[in-house]
Amino acid sequence: EPEVTQTPSHQVTQMGQEVILRCVPISNHLYFYWYRQILGQKVEFLVSFYNNEISEKSEIFDDQFSVERPDGSNFTLKIRSTKLEDSAMYFCASSELRGQKETQYFGPGTRLLVL
Amino acid sequence: AQKITQTQPGMFVQEKEAVTLDCTYDTSDPSYGLFWYKQPSSGEMIFLIYQGSYDQQNATEGRYSLNFQKARKSANLVISASQLGDSAMYFCAMREKNYGQNFVFGPGTRLSVLP
Repeated sequence: EPEVTQTPSHQVTQMGQEVILRCVPISNHLYFYWYRQILGQKVEFLVSFYNNEISEKSEIFDDQFSVERPDGSNFTLKIRSTKLEDSAMYFCASSELRGQKETQYFGPGTRLLVL
Repeated sequence: AQKITQTQPGMFVQEKEAVTLDCTYDTSDPSYGLFWYKQPSSGEMIFLIYQGSYDQQNATEGRYSLNFQKARKSANLVISASQLGDSAMYFCAMREKNYGQNFVFGPGTRLSVLP
């Protein structure tokens, strides 16, 4: 069964460093998402992406964040200058279509720790 | 205001028994979808079940069923014949047609299945 994959599974970085989290969505999916989950808290929406542009973003997704689909398969989240409070699990998700019925399939997550 | 409320931070259930996890939601959008995800200790988000706001019947998927009470704005997850592997965090999520394509998640319920 096709699945969303994410790399790396864990990332440790120093405050102020740039990190890039990578995702490979399910191949025939067109809509891509990033969510984050701070330890012990609920999952929060960051950004959605369609047709090579951001379709929505939350207030969490400030200028330090960017997303890109550099080729036909990868979908990346970049954090330019990490802060301690960026430590979280970051989930990539994808869905085939747009619509309130569409299930989003989540990747296994990348656990980011900023020191 | 919270859009998704899960009032049970933790639940215990005996193996082979049924358990109900509560979820109430708040929306003015007539068209929305409700989802349940399971998050085991390994961290991944696993889709369990979907209920559409216009669906006449309660959704079922194997041992999972959704007790959808639209007038009360509740979408409780029922797990029948609990198994040890059901021990996990369970998140209720909503997607509204007129408010974008991202999910809004509840705070989650941690279910522990006892042998």
